[in-house]
Amino acid sequence: EFVLTQSPATLSLSPGERATLSCKATQSINNYLAWYQQKPGQAPRLLIYDASNRATGIPARFSGSGSGTDFTLTISSLEPEDFAVYYCQQRSNWPPPLTFGGGTKVEIK
Amino acid sequence: QVQLQESGPGLVKPSGTLSLTCVVSGGSISSSNWWSWVRQPPGKGLEWIGEVYHTGSTNYNPSLRSRVTILVDKSQNQFSLKMSSVTAADTAVFYCARNSCSGGSCYFFDYWGQGTLITVSS
Repeated sequence: EFVLTQSPATLSLSPGERATLSCKATQSINNYLAWYQQKPGQAPRLLIYDASNRATGIPARFSGSGSGTDFTLTISSLEPEDFAVYYCQQRSNWPPPLTFGGGTKVEIK
Repeated sequence: QVQLQESGPGLVKPSGTLSLTCVVSGGSISSSNWWSWVRQPPGKGLEWIGEVYHTGSTNYNPSLRSRVTILVDKSQNQFSLKMSSVTAADTAVFYCARNSCSGGSCYFFDYWGQGTLITVSS
């Protein structure tokens, strides 16, 4: 079974600090990896697709990197509205074809 | 601007069948996109349920395949989800979403419905 593992589960940071979120896949994927932000009571919002492409309207402080099995979402300087839960997601040739990671909560320290 | 709106009963009895519909506006369901259902139990993460193409082709999460059917209705520009034999463990917010494509792989969700809470309880 294909699994995406996100770490850490919780990240406690202050506004202005840099956030680095990790997503590791059990098998190599062709960079078909996306990142989402979810705030309480809201649907997820697409941030990044193809591992490093920002979606329309996403601020430049959000960036994605990585390849193969290891991927990273970086928020260069946290704004108050960035405190939320972040999920990675991918498509693979192994079941299930679409998978989400377990999420990383970025909370205010 | 594409918009998706879920509708459903809110409350389903254990062992019953959950039925949801997602109406697509601002775009055609016959575009080169797949259309998915995703659920999120209270306080937990996201789980992909399955997807449908406008031709009627489907893919399902193997963990749910035996209980799930996703259909498309091009005349109404909508798609639907049926999940049978539900239990309390199926209580969740259900989202419909559009899969967009890159490099031939349609995998990332760029438009989402607002979500609808389905509670399984007697």
